[in-house]
Amino acid sequence: GENVEQHPSTLSVQEGDSAVIKCTYSDSASNYFPWYKQELGKGPQLIIDIRSNVGEKKDQRIAVTLNKTAKHFSLHITETQPEDSAVYFCAATSNRDDKIIFGKGTRLHILP
Amino acid sequence: ETGVTQSPTHLIKTRGQQVTLRCSSQSGHNTVSWYQQALGQGPQFIFQYYREEENGRGNFPPRFSGLQFPNYSSELNVNALELDDSALYLCASSLTPGVYEQYFGPGTRLTVT
Repeated sequence: GENVEQHPSTLSVQEGDSAVIKCTYSDSASNYFPWYKQELGKGPQLIIDIRSNVGEKKDQRIAVTLNKTAKHFSLHITETQPEDSAVYFCAATSNRDDKIIFGKGTRLHILP
Repeated sequence: ETGVTQSPTHLIKTRGQQVTLRCSSQSGHNTVSWYQQALGQGPQFIFQYYREEENGRGNFPPRFSGLQFPNYSSELNVNALELDDSALYLCASSLTPGVYEQYFGPGTRLTVT
């Protein structure tokens, strides 16, 4: 079955700097890669996603890249702000089923 | 548009008991998936319901069961609770199977003592 690895587990960046979180997946049939942000006491919130026919997608300060050959995908947050502090999860799924396989999460701390 | 809601927010049960958790899907969404999130981990897929039938299941024992109702709301039932069942249970709704975007509710925190 699918396995998603996520790094780093914890990331601290100075406010205004960029943050990058990297993930790898194992199932070549995976074709949809969402990213979720989870704040304390809340459910995961979908912040951006990318499909396998696209290499990059951007939404304001957030961008995601996908390398299908290497089975890597990454989340880039630029000009980080205090409200970006949260746990971020990468995930993968395929059209075989709707089961989303999550990474273990990255705790992002934005330092003042 | 109403988002995904779950009840109750918190629950404390004793080992061996049974529990029912509830979820109302986002308006217009007919598919509901349930996930278990242990502390410090990513959510793990339990199962999905579509048109009142189970439409896919993860690696969870049969004592985890579910229901979906004609209004697309859903229940997760867990029998013979074990200490390891303590977790945040998340419900996510999507427009229909095959449409991948899933939107999560706030979760139910279950503690088994």
